[in-house]
Amino acid sequence: EVQLVQSGGGLVQPGGSLRLSCEVSEFSSVIYHFDWVRQAPGKGLEWIASTCCDARSSNYADSVRGRFSISRDIARNSVFLQMNNLTGDDTAFYFCAREGNPYSDYHSFDDWGQGTLVTVSS
Amino acid sequence: DIQLTQSPSFVSASIGDRVTITCRASQDINSYLAWYQQKPGKAPKLLINAASTLESGVPLRFSGGGSGTEFTLTIGSLQPEDLAFYFCQQVNGEFAFTFGGGTQVEAK
Repeated sequence: EVQLVQSGGGLVQPGGSLRLSCEVSEFSSVIYHFDWVRQAPGKGLEWIASTCCDARSSNYADSVRGRFSISRDIARNSVFLQMNNLTGDDTAFYFCAREGNPYSDYHSFDDWGQGTLVTVSS
Repeated sequence: DIQLTQSPSFVSASIGDRVTITCRASQDINSYLAWYQQKPGKAPKLLINAASTLESGVPLRFSGGGSGTEFTLTIGSLQPEDLAFYFCQQVNGEFAFTFGGGTQVEAK
């Protein structure tokens, strides 16, 4: 069973930056899609970013576009989320996820990291 | 973006009850819908994909149905381990991957 292990997160001041990492326990072909999802404390799930294949294949939610950047390091089996110009609205648990069968039209999020808390506060 | 509206937002049911949660999409999404279960402090777990396909290892008391704009998740006989939050998600890669607002299933 594949495992996604997250690191990064913590307390950051408004306007600051943070980088989250997500290491996958097994090799994921370049064609696998990865996503980041966040959840404000006590709230629902919000998809924020996805990537596949190369940097040109990245997509973002309106709430983070231009501030967040998703990337992959295939050799290190890792996915990253660079978060810049953070505000209090970005305070949330952040989850990475690997989508299922890359040849499927159904982009369900089959495997998830354990989540990491990002708190934006002065 | 496609909006997903779940109802009810809260369910209080007895162990052994049949529980049904509804997810309505703001436009036709065919069968591009998934259901997740989330327990406090844990990551979501995929239960059902393509509206009605049960993931491996998920108990058979869970079932999904519907297509187009209206979908359901049914727990045939509620068990203590099923007390959790449930979310629907549209999974068509042509659109943003929106989630429903969630339904909390609690024991009566």
